[in-house]
Amino acid sequence: QTVVTQEPSLTVSPGGTVTLTCASTTGAVTSGYYPNWFQQKPGQAPRPLIFDTTNKHSWTPARFSGSLLGGKAALTLSGVQPEDEADYYCLLYYGSGNYVFGPGTRVTVL
Amino acid sequence: QVQLQESGPGVVQPSETLSLTCTVSGDFISGYYWYWIRQPPGKGLEWIGYVHYSGITNYNPSLKSRVSMSVDTSKKQFSLKMTSVTTADTAVYFCARDMGGEKGHWGQGILVTVPS
Repeated sequence: QTVVTQEPSLTVSPGGTVTLTCASTTGAVTSGYYPNWFQQKPGQAPRPLIFDTTNKHSWTPARFSGSLLGGKAALTLSGVQPEDEADYYCLLYYGSGNYVFGPGTRVTVL
Repeated sequence: QVQLQESGPGVVQPSETLSLTCTVSGDFISGYYWYWIRQPPGKGLEWIGYVHYSGITNYNPSLKSRVSMSVDTSKKQFSLKMTSVTTADTAVYFCARDMGGEKGHWGQGILVTVPS
């Protein structure tokens, strides 16, 4: 069974930088997995941030960036703001129309 | 601006069928893939499946035997049916457009409870 893994939690100081990663038990994550990243705050629906590894939606703040890093998909938050405190989920595409979400990373701004 | 609104019963009895509808406003339903995703209370997201406006469907293998989806382009709605529900199906159910793509947009979600 395919499993996607993420850091359970990360803490970052305001103004700092933090990188979240997304790995697959099938091997290295490549652009062919079309990694997506979503932000979810309590009581809200997930909000898409990044699609196709690096592409931002029109509403995605410039301080968010997506990449591939060491065989994983990565989401970097630079110049973190208090409002960035949230859960972040990655999504990978495994072909034949099948998707798997990661378990999520809780980012605390402290 | 596109808006998606989930609707359906908030409580479904064990062994019965969960039926939800997502109504699309502010955009065409044609040309897109439409998705259902769920999130049990306090847990992560699970992709349930998708339906293309043409009617093509694909489901999460772990749910495939119990799930069906359909689309009604005239009403600008798409639907989810899940049979034989148990307490493990208690979750917030989200509908979404183009879940993994450039035109991604999600509904606010609807809580469906299966009581024990």
